Amino acid sequence: DTEVTQTPKHLVMGMTNKKSLKCEQHMGHRAMYWYKQKAKKPPELMFVYSYEKLSINESVPSRFSPECPNSSLLNLHLHALQPEDSALYLCASSQDLSEVAGANVLTFGAGSRLTVL
Amino acid sequence: QKEVEQNSGPLSVPEGAIASLNCTYSDRVSQSFFWYRQYSGKSPELIMSIYSNGDKEDGRFTAQLNKASQYVSLLIRDSQPSDSATYLCAVNGRGNKLVFGAGTILRVKS
Repeated sequence: DTEVTQTPKHLVMGMTNKKSLKCEQHMGHRAMYWYKQKAKKPPELMFVYSYEKLSINESVPSRFSPECPNSSLLNLHLHALQPEDSALYLCASSQDLSEVAGANVLTFGAGSRLTVL
Repeated sequence: QKEVEQNSGPLSVPEGAIASLNCTYSDRVSQSFFWYRQYSGKSPELIMSIYSNGDKEDGRFTAQLNKASQYVSLLIRDSQPSDSATYLCAVNGRGNKLVFGAGTILRVKS
């Protein structure tokens, strides 16, 4: 199994809603990532979890709240979002965070396209 | 200076030609370099990874790395219309953060 599975594929929410994006991998990877990608822009790193602990938070607003319940699952909880938060949210995983060749290769999920009204 | 720079294109090549995509990076401590392909509306897909100076070939793709010049390139031989996509150069920098370039749009014309 070499997939990273993201749900839902599409999400439309109002600014007062609370919703969650989910990500799952069964490759035994110990690093998981959330990226945000706006149209015609490259992916921007949001959060990195390493061995289920938050390793990197790229100064993301608190209306985005990550959670890593176990080594296979990564959630992104959304609350009080703004229309400018509409984007493709990409989950990725890698073997770990080391620089050993191959260990830090990211495998991306298909993404969750979020629209905030 | 941006951490990872690419020409946004579009780069147009005829079918069967060689497409050459270039990328420069600013952080000399970077050790890992990647090329991802992204079709419109889809997620990035790894094409090549390279960790040491020189060339690395995989099928029609060749990645080239020159750490002294802080330069990474991707050659696509016998380009096909299905190669038309955005190619993202990514560099692992300080703090193990993967930084993406803005991407180069490649169009292969049949």
